[in-house]
Amino acid sequence: QSVLTQPPSASGTPGQRVTISCAGGSSNIGRDSVNWYQQVPGTAPRLLIYTTSRRPSGVPDRFSGSKSGTSASLDIGGLQSEDEADYYCTAWDDSLQGYLFGTGTAVTVL
Amino acid sequence: EVQLVESGGGLVQPGGSLRLSCVGSGISVSKIWMHWVRQVPGRGLVWVSRINKDGSRRDHADSVKGRFSISRDDARNTLYLQMNSLKAEDAAMYYCVRDFVGPEDLWGRGTLVTVSS
Repeated sequence: QSVLTQPPSASGTPGQRVTISCAGGSSNIGRDSVNWYQQVPGTAPRLLIYTTSRRPSGVPDRFSGSKSGTSASLDIGGLQSEDEADYYCTAWDDSLQGYLFGTGTAVTVL
Repeated sequence: EVQLVESGGGLVQPGGSLRLSCVGSGISVSKIWMHWVRQVPGRGLVWVSRINKDGSRRDHADSVKGRFSISRDDARNTLYLQMNSLKAEDAAMYYCVRDFVGPEDLWGRGTLVTVSS
């Protein structure tokens, strides 16, 4: 699969848990790690998760990542208003010899 | 302030060329993987190119292969993207990224490329 597929939108109330999926294939998620970015419209993306489950310094621990087979997930536990943004997964694709980004998921805090 | 600053974007006709630059301020762009990522306003992110720590390896997305070339000048602490034979579909905001998907991931604010006659 030459694309990473995400649901176009997700939502929750403050304090709720939201999970975003990222479906790939055997040449990308199936053989390499997954990374997640957050982007507030009008600003540059910010790395939330790298190497599937690691958080860079400064990223709250309510953000967590996991992977199973050719799919990955980003969990936002304890949703907050500042989490309203677009979220993208990304992974290296061994067949294409390049990085793929997911289709993006817009998270709304109700 | 530690930052990456892109420049060189602008309006160019189809078939034309542009060279984007990315200067590191307070941070080195040498001896580390550097990338370019683009985004059409309102659309998703697309990875474009990368160069490895010593410049010996360069990878480009299929959509730009043969037309774009990434390079770096360590003395000037600057990353470049030479873009030739530009097409309408190359129009986007171009971001310079240091240590993409690594613990020291850092993005510039981007430079906008418009391709139109």
